[in-house]
Amino acid sequence: EVQLLESGGGMVQPGGSLRLSCAASGFTFSSYAMSWVRQAPGKGLEWVSVINAGGGVTYYADSVKGRFTISRDNSKNTLFLQMNSLRADDTAVYYCAKDGPVLTFGWFDPWGQGTLVTVSS
Amino acid sequence: QSILTQPPSASGTPGQRVTISCSGSSSNIGSNTVSWFQQLPGTAPKLLIYSDDQRPSGVPDRFSGSKSGTSASLAISGLQSEDEADYYCAAWDDSLNGYVFGTGTKVTVL
Repeated sequence: EVQLLESGGGMVQPGGSLRLSCAASGFTFSSYAMSWVRQAPGKGLEWVSVINAGGGVTYYADSVKGRFTISRDNSKNTLFLQMNSLRADDTAVYYCAKDGPVLTFGWFDPWGQGTLVTVSS
Repeated sequence: QSILTQPPSASGTPGQRVTISCSGSSSNIGSNTVSWFQQLPGTAPKLLIYSDDQRPSGVPDRFSGSKSGTSASLAISGLQSEDEADYYCAAWDDSLNGYVFGTGTKVTVL
């Protein structure tokens, strides 16, 4: 069974940092692009970042560019999101999702259960 | 920011057909495939449709997708109470070099 399990969320002060992890199992992790998508409380889905299967190509939403860094360790089947200079409007549930073999397919399936990040003083 | 526009709500009685639209532009829907997701209350989103009109295994054939030009649609036929959820479209945007999600549509079964 394909599974994604996020961890690393929590409460942080504005300007602080957090590192999210997403442990993958049940599929050949190194063959698929992976994305982070977030959802602020009571709001819609917002794509955050994507990384290709090999880890050499990354893209970011304008709202996080320069502050967040996506990476992956294919030897450990794990996806990461390093979040720096956090702001109140970064407060959201962060989901990791398995994309397709090609980065632009948008085959987000499955999604993890999500991890809550709260930025507040 | 969402640049795929969906109606905020849609509704129908059990057994009816409901259609949700997703309007984009030449840089997203017009040149890339569309996916649709269902989000039940309190749960993670689930893929319903990929590559415009393909259903993953396990998704009932009551759900169907289509695309024409810069717009896409999700149809739910034979509406059931368990279909009450939020629905989102998504596509890659060549101008933004990123994915964009739709604004979301809440489906209510009357």
